[in-house]
Amino acid sequence: EIVLTQSPGTLSLSPGEGATLSCRASQSVSSNSLAWYQQKPGQAPRLVIYGASSRATGIPDRFSGSGSGTDFTLTISRLEPEDFAVYYCQQYGTSPLTFGGGTKVEI
Amino acid sequence: QVQLVQSGVEVRKPGASVKVSCKASGYTFTDYAIHWVRQAPGQGLEWMGWITPNSGGTKYAQKFQGRVTMTGDASITTGYMELSRLTSDDTAVYYCARGGGGLMYWGRGTLVTVSS
Repeated sequence: EIVLTQSPGTLSLSPGEGATLSCRASQSVSSNSLAWYQQKPGQAPRLVIYGASSRATGIPDRFSGSGSGTDFTLTISRLEPEDFAVYYCQQYGTSPLTFGGGTKVEI
Repeated sequence: QVQLVQSGVEVRKPGASVKVSCKASGYTFTDYAIHWVRQAPGQGLEWMGWITPNSGGTKYAQKFQGRVTMTGDASITTGYMELSRLTSDDTAVYYCARGGGGLMYWGRGTLVTVSS
């Protein structure tokens, strides 16, 4: 199975700052089938990015995804208070689907 | 609008089984797979498998093979996930989600607690 390794584990930032989250795959992700999710305590995950770089419906343009093959990045250009959460990457191109361990973005 | 409404909290003893439902609305049920993902307390997300409602075809994560059964009833647009031989390690929130290029729509989750 494809193992996804996210770094860093925790990112401590202030509102207005930029954030860069990394997701590295143990093998190439098929067709760039890589998604990012945001999860807040007590809530279901929310799709942020799919296809490595396409924003999901309703996601503000301060979120952007990039990368291909085995290295992917989620960038949040200017953190808003509501962006502080845990972010997971997921590959859905090869079964079994797998998730990364998550990056917590905290104030 | 697309909605996935899951069944309520479940408490089971070790060795028992649990069946969680996921009622879909707002789209053509047979056009998209239903995925099941779980999250143990304080832990990350774990994909369990999917079912394609139009054919009933399933794909399970190796870890759950032989212990999980995913089904769907297109007549009531509902998917089900049944997990047997429960242990305390199965205590988690279980989510259903609609497939299709990333998991755009999720249920709110069903807490399953396994305790003697």
